[in-house]
Amino acid sequence: GAGVSQSPRYKVAKRGQDVALRCDPISGHVSLFWYQQALGQGPEFLTYFQNEAQLDKSGLPSDRFFAERPEGSVSTLKIQRTQQEDSAVYLCASSLRDRVNTGELFFGEGSRLTVL
Amino acid sequence: GQQLNQSPQSMFIQEGEDVSMNCTSSSIFNTWLWYKQDPGEGPVLLIALYKAGELTSNGRLTAQFGITRKDSFLNISASIPSDVGIYFCAGMNYGGSQGNLIFGKGTKLSVKP
Repeated sequence: GAGVSQSPRYKVAKRGQDVALRCDPISGHVSLFWYQQALGQGPEFLTYFQNEAQLDKSGLPSDRFFAERPEGSVSTLKIQRTQQEDSAVYLCASSLRDRVNTGELFFGEGSRLTVL
Repeated sequence: GQQLNQSPQSMFIQEGEDVSMNCTSSSIFNTWLWYKQDPGEGPVLLIALYKAGELTSNGRLTAQFGITRKDSFLNISASIPSDVGIYFCAGMNYGGSQGNLIFGKGTKLSVKP
């Protein structure tokens, strides 16, 4: 597809369960980002990859959150032992390498996680 | 950390009206951006501003990068129904983590009943 693709669109997890969220960026975009958007809030930065290198993970809220992008394309955000405060929409975005410092990000539709 | 304050939080529009919203920060940014988010979708970039004092237009949208680098406004002229949605301002600084945008909480535009 032409845009950033995320799956699943919706995920309901029981507290304590592990979840994995997938992001397929726009073809040719080497930069990939994960953001967390709580209800009624703006997106908050989680982590950033350039190709397979995770250059910044300063926004990950705890060591239960882990992201990877082993081949520099598809990325997975994993949340272990989910808690209710993890409920949010997780947005993936990608950007061309030479447009990253312009803030021009292309976002996917997001994965809505609900933890019961 | 850095925080952005957007106002108003919400507003109602009637078709044809002009709309204005703004964003202020406790610290300076080198780049200001405005994104729009429709329900169930990700944010979409509307306008990007890279220089203090810069005024940029994109169709019916006009945005300005405040001279102090701590604020920005977005105007929408002659609003139409598809302008409904949530508008987010976002700031970014050079260096550090590229693409680490700081978002405001959004201004929700709805149609007047």
